[in-house]
Amino acid sequence: AQSVTQLGSHVSVSEGALVLLRCNYSSSVPPYLFWYVQYPNQGLQLLLKYTSAATLVKGINGFEAEFKKSETSFHLTKPSAHMSDAAEYFCAVSVGGNTPLVFGKGTRLSVIA
Amino acid sequence: ETGVTQSPTHLIKTRGQQVTLRCSSQSGHNTVSWYQQALGQGPQFIFQYYREEENGRGNFPPRFSGLQFPNYSSELNVNALELDDSALYLCASSSSTSGGAKNIQYFGAGTRLSVL
Repeated sequence: AQSVTQLGSHVSVSEGALVLLRCNYSSSVPPYLFWYVQYPNQGLQLLLKYTSAATLVKGINGFEAEFKKSETSFHLTKPSAHMSDAAEYFCAVSVGGNTPLVFGKGTRLSVIA
Repeated sequence: ETGVTQSPTHLIKTRGQQVTLRCSSQSGHNTVSWYQQALGQGPQFIFQYYREEENGRGNFPPRFSGLQFPNYSSELNVNALELDDSALYLCASSSSTSGGAKNIQYFGAGTRLSVL
């Protein structure tokens, strides 16, 4: 079975500061990992995905994440926060193919001017 | 925009009633997955349909049922609604064949169901 733990239900950063959202996973087989973003009253938008190729994955809107097998982590980073980054971020794991996603509980990112 | 559309956007029902939610998948996608997102939680997998057959189910009771049609659109039906069924219901479509986008799930905006 797979599971995801997102450390910190709420993260607050200043505009221009580094964004770091933490995700640790558990999987009995090599995982596929995803980060999704959810803006208020909207569905989920895919930010980036890891599917066993390069361990450093670049996504949309300047976000990237690094897969670290030894730490079972897939933390999301962005060098400089923008006000438009304020949203809920979800990390998810699957075992590949068209298998269901298992989501973490989410981290709400606030950006302070 | 993902091309996945859900209707209606909002719905209010009373306990014991039945509800049907609809999802049109992105063009070329043959798989639809449904998720329930309770307030303040991450989405939880309900079930998945592939080529009109149920292809996996999460930990939800039988009163949650679904259909997939030949055009790959889908319905989620919930009978005997309970207060705890109040949530955002998300539909995601994916394709088992589309090259680089293979098996990536693209989500609709969801249907917010309130059960009173």
